Amino acid sequence: DTAVSQTPKYLVTQMGNDKSIKCEQNLGHDTMYWYKQDSKKFLKIMFSYNNKELIINETVPNRFSPKSPDKAHLNLHINSLELGDSAVYFCASSQDRGRSYEQYFGPGTRLTVT
Amino acid sequence: GQQVMQIPQYQHVQEGEDFTTYCNSSTTLSNIQWYKQRPGGHPVFLIQLVKSGEVKKQKRLTFQFGEAKKNSSLHITATQTTDVGTYFCTPSNTGKLIFGQGTTLQVKP
Repeated sequence: DTAVSQTPKYLVTQMGNDKSIKCEQNLGHDTMYWYKQDSKKFLKIMFSYNNKELIINETVPNRFSPKSPDKAHLNLHINSLELGDSAVYFCASSQDRGRSYEQYFGPGTRLTVT
Repeated sequence: GQQVMQIPQYQHVQEGEDFTTYCNSSTTLSNIQWYKQRPGGHPVFLIQLVKSGEVKKQKRLTFQFGEAKKNSSLHITATQTTDVGTYFCTPSNTGKLIFGQGTTLQVKP
């Protein structure tokens, strides 16, 4: 059983298009995240939702909009895609346990903007 | 926010050699987590260290948290080709993981 799943796995699109990436977790976790990993392997947090409420919103362009319809899903919509958006996007989830925030990552979505 | 510096950035070893990556912070950390990312894969949680001077072992992997809780290390004994990947350390007390570039380990068979 897949714990954290993302679709699609690969996404190739042209500049200016709008695209969405979906994420689902079946771990019963309360918190979900979106990370962006660039070509140099830097992994940066973008957003975090706890029980459908936005709790972390890093400095990310307004073109990126997360949506959490329920606590098991966190989708990422990107408007007007730019070349610099090309990266691997990882969804993750965690069950808040006091100071323990072990995170489970999805397989990633490789986005290529041409 | 809390940030850590990890060294080295890259390490190539012969299979069977030992490997160590170091994680340093200028501030005291509440705790630290280690993740491994295989090439083409996603980060996978390895361990969390909380106590000053803590040492934890997972088979050939030994994790340490410094006495001052400002540094941590991961030591792999007798590396194998399955150890290939990037190892990340990250402070974790806020729920927001701050990853650096990690240390990428290559193992020559």
